Amino acid sequence: EIVLTQSPGTLSLSPGERATLSCRASQSVNSSYLAWYQQKPGQAPRLLIYGASSRATGIPDRFSGSGSGTDFTLTISRLEPEDFAVYYCQQYGSSPITFGQGTRLEIK
Amino acid sequence: QVQLVESGGGVVQPGGSLRLSCAASGFTFSSHGMHWVRQAPGKGLEWVAFIRYDGSNKYYTDSVEGRFTISRDTSKSTLYLQMNSLRAEDTAVYYCAKSKTVEKFVFDYWGQGTLVTVSS
Repeated sequence: EIVLTQSPGTLSLSPGERATLSCRASQSVNSSYLAWYQQKPGQAPRLLIYGASSRATGIPDRFSGSGSGTDFTLTISRLEPEDFAVYYCQQYGSSPITFGQGTRLEIK
Repeated sequence: QVQLVESGGGVVQPGGSLRLSCAASGFTFSSHGMHWVRQAPGKGLEWVAFIRYDGSNKYYTDSVEGRFTISRDTSKSTLYLQMNSLRAEDTAVYYCAKSKTVEKFVFDYWGQGTLVTVSS
């Protein structure tokens, strides 16, 4: 099973700043089959990025994904108030599908 | 617009059974694989089960294999999860999620979730 480790656990930033979230895999993720989701309190997750770098439908271009192999990054170029949430990475290249433990992005 | 509405959650004793439903609308249900994903209180996400668009293949996470059964009724555009021999560790919000067309294990739309509590 591929274990995904997200860092940092909590990230405190201000609106307008740049956020960089990391997801490291215990072994190489096949074909960059990595996705990112955003979850706000009391809500279902929302797909942001798939294939490591492809934005999902309707996702603003301030969200970008990069990486390959075992190291992946979600970058939010300029934080908006609505971006403060928990972010999860997910690999779907190997069975079983696994998620990271999440990074909480909070307002500083 | 895509809508997924789960129902059927509740409180059940250990060893009991529950059936969850997910009513789908706003897309061609018969053309997409579907998933169940769960989230224990205050915890992260865990994929539970997947069923192909035509029901021909089903996959489960190891911890529910043999206890849970995923199924679908195309005529009703509804996804199901039959959960038997429930354990305390099955307590979670259960989400149904739609597969992306090509990347079948990417979840592009989610329901609002239904809470299952396993407790005596």
